[in-house]
Amino acid sequence: QVQLQESGPGLVKPSGTLSLTCAVSGGSISSSNWWSWIRQPPGKGLEWIGEIYHSGSTNYNPSLKSRVTISVDKSKNQFSLKLSSVTAADTAVYYCARTTVTTSWMDYWGQGTLVTVSS
Amino acid sequence: QSVLTQPPSVSGAPGQRVTISCTGSSSNIGAGYDVHWYQQLPGTAPKLLIYGNSNRPSGVPDRFSGSKSGTSASLAITGLQAEDEADYYCQSYDSSLSGSKVFGTGTKVTVL
Repeated sequence: QVQLQESGPGLVKPSGTLSLTCAVSGGSISSSNWWSWIRQPPGKGLEWIGEIYHSGSTNYNPSLKSRVTISVDKSKNQFSLKLSSVTAADTAVYYCARTTVTTSWMDYWGQGTLVTVSS
Repeated sequence: QSVLTQPPSVSGAPGQRVTISCTGSSSNIGAGYDVHWYQQLPGTAPKLLIYGNSNRPSGVPDRFSGSKSGTSASLAITGLQAEDEADYYCQSYDSSLSGSKVFGTGTKVTVL
């Protein structure tokens, strides 16, 4: 059973960079899957941030593309999110999730981690 | 803002049938891309409920069903139960957004 676990600072200062990691267990990050980041501001809906394949190929939400970098660390079986120039509007629960290649749905999700942007 | 529109809320009494619509456009649902549905119980991560428009993952009750037609999709819950009270999101792919996955605006289902 694949499990995903997000980790990272729960508080980030405005104009700083948000950095999160998603550890994958029960399966290899080098398998035929895309690995996504999704966020959910308090009381609001889901927003897809972007995804990465183990080769390093990425797709990003155009509305966030200029501030987002997603990377993969195959040696640690994990992938990461960096979001720069954050503001209070980036306060959200951040989830990581898996999509099997040739499909477009997200079948495994992490439990999510709340990141608050505040001074 | 999301390119997939859902009603903010729907409600029904136990045992009733409710439906949730997900309206898109010619660059996503209307282009033939599949629609998937997620259930988010309070305080938890979303869970895949329906994939590929109408397929249920193992363990999902057959009270949940999905369909797609034209530029819209629907999720139906028959025999509504108290534990179905949750937020529901549709998800698809949009070709006008550089290969983006997109979510619907979300619908809160309330069991009266």
